[in-house]
Amino acid sequence: AQKVTQAQTEISVVEKEDVTLDCVYETRDTTYYLFWYKQPPSGELVFLIRRNSFDEQNEISGRYSWNFQKSTSSFNFTITASQVVDSAVYFCALSGVGTSYGKLTFGQGTILTVHP
Amino acid sequence: DTGVSQDPRHKITKRGQNVTFRCDPISEHNRLYWYRQTLGQGPEFLTYFQNEAQLEKSRLLSDRFSAERPKGSFSTLEIQRTEQGDSAMYLCASSLAADTIYFGEGSWLTVV
Repeated sequence: AQKVTQAQTEISVVEKEDVTLDCVYETRDTTYYLFWYKQPPSGELVFLIRRNSFDEQNEISGRYSWNFQKSTSSFNFTITASQVVDSAVYFCALSGVGTSYGKLTFGQGTILTVHP
Repeated sequence: DTGVSQDPRHKITKRGQNVTFRCDPISEHNRLYWYRQTLGQGPEFLTYFQNEAQLEKSRLLSDRFSAERPKGSFSTLEIQRTEQGDSAMYLCASSLAADTIYFGEGSWLTVV
């Protein structure tokens, strides 16, 4: 069975601080995908990134960066110089491949609050 | 390219009534997924379609739930004889094969 753990239930920071959201996963699959989604108060899940298990390169997109470490089964997400608009619930998710693709297992989510 | 569209956005219904939610995926996306999310939890997988074929159903999907995707376009999720425990947000998502999965804004259901 697959499992995703986001140990931080809530994080509160002041604007311009850097913040890292942790994600640890469990799977018996050798090939899989990892995702991060942002859920603002409106409810829509906004896609942030998808990473294949064979691609361990870290990725940076503007103020966002992701650190994928297969050895520790972690896929952490860092926001640099946080802004109030970053306030949302962030979900890490895991998917198999083939016919299992899209059957996402989500973590419990981390509520991020950025104060001005 | 319009996103995934869900209707209605909010539904309040009395226990025992039937409700139906509609999802219009992104054009040409052949895969369509339904998830359920309760307050304070991450979304949970319910079922998915590849074109018009329903390929997998979660054990969460009791026999009161039925989903269809006629002609491989829009999808409907019907809940019969609603119970208070069905109160949740129902999320639809779509993807082109094994590409990025995009979610809609969700349909909130409150059973009173």
